[in-house]
Amino acid sequence: DTGVSQNPRHKITKRGQNVTFRCDPISEHNRLYWYRQTLGQGPEFLTYFQNEAQLEKSRLLSDRFSAERPKGSFSTLEIQRTEQGDSAMYLCASSANDRGFHEQYFGPGTRLTVT
Amino acid sequence: DQQVKQNSPSLSVQEGRISILNCDYTNSMFDYFLWYKKYPAEGPTFLISISSIKDKNEDGRFTVFLNKSAKHLSLHIVPSQPGDSAVYFCAASANGGFNKFYFGSGTKLNVKP
Repeated sequence: DTGVSQNPRHKITKRGQNVTFRCDPISEHNRLYWYRQTLGQGPEFLTYFQNEAQLEKSRLLSDRFSAERPKGSFSTLEIQRTEQGDSAMYLCASSANDRGFHEQYFGPGTRLTVT
Repeated sequence: DQQVKQNSPSLSVQEGRISILNCDYTNSMFDYFLWYKKYPAEGPTFLISISSIKDKNEDGRFTVFLNKSAKHLSLHIVPSQPGDSAVYFCAASANGGFNKFYFGSGTKLNVKP
């Protein structure tokens, strides 16, 4: 399977703990995106990378959130000192970077529950 | 602010009939639009796209129409099948999808056998 993969699929944590999620994009894609989706809403953009460079961060991404893509392949999203409001589905997507219009392909998501 | 809106949270259609899902946007810089289908506990699955240089794109049973002057797009599914039952999201981007997409809140389609 050469789609986008995310781990873990589910994470339950207590308020105040740190969590880290991983995303492996489609191998030939050099753009990688993180979105967050809450119940009844569409995905909301958090940040994106071109190769290892983080090109944009949403104001939704508070200083408790950090994302990395150290070698331009997989990416990690870390949330420090989790809050109950962080409970959501965290989605990763990737897309190609050559000229033209490009759709984004999503992984299955990581569902975070903060208790 | 919600730059992409799907005003119908749900739609119910009989199998074999046409399903029409609607989407409105406010940003005139958007030039690339996608429709995604999402099943519970899965990530969104790309369905069909349209760029602003076109007003229609077809892929099998799925057709997307774009009305730039009205800032409106729609997805037609003909004929609808029970397996089409899912939540459908429209998404829009400026700069050809090179950066972020803005998503609507989704329409839950139920196709009744």
